[in-house]
Amino acid sequence: DTEVTQTPKHLVMGMTNKKSLKCEQHMGHRAMYWYKQKAKKPPELMFVYSYEKLSINESVPSRFSPECPNSSLLNLHLHALQPEDSALYLCASSRGASGGIYEQYFGPGTRLTVT
Amino acid sequence: QKEVEQNSGPLSVPEGAIASLNCTYSDRGSQSFFWYRQYSGKSPELIMSIYSNGDKEDGRFTAQLNKASQYVSLLIRDSQPSDSATYLCAVITSGSARQLTFGSGTQLTVLP
Repeated sequence: DTEVTQTPKHLVMGMTNKKSLKCEQHMGHRAMYWYKQKAKKPPELMFVYSYEKLSINESVPSRFSPECPNSSLLNLHLHALQPEDSALYLCASSRGASGGIYEQYFGPGTRLTVT
Repeated sequence: QKEVEQNSGPLSVPEGAIASLNCTYSDRGSQSFFWYRQYSGKSPELIMSIYSNGDKEDGRFTAQLNKASQYVSLLIRDSQPSDSATYLCAVITSGSARQLTFGSGTQLTVLP
């Protein structure tokens, strides 16, 4: 089973709202990732959690705040977003982090629209 | 120079033909290579991974890796209209971050 789940599937929020994206995996993977994907572009890495600790933050604005409550869950808290933040937000997981041979499996994504 | 390069396409092949997708990478120390398929509006789906020089076959898909030429390819035999998608080449680079670096993707259309 290589399933990663994400909620919600779609989210529309105003620039003053606070919302959260959720991701869950039950594959025993120890690394989880947030990516942002704009139309007709490849995914861009935002954050990496390895063994529940933030290991990489790719210079993401502070209006995006990740959280890893446990090894199966990953959240992305959103606050004061801009219209240009509208994108598909993807969660992924892998057996380990720091490269190596660990395949990453993606969830279905959350389509975010900021109005 | 981009780290991972793909022909953006679009690439069109007739049904039943072989589709050939190509990817080059700049980091000679890269060790892990992946192909993802992404349907429009959906998330990337891992279809092949390859770590050693040579060919790896899985059903109608064959991945080919040549580390000396820094080249990885994906062949799709007996292409079907359902194979129409964007194919993303991804490489785990040898830098300090060692994270997945994607090419820009090749859009494939299989014509009935």
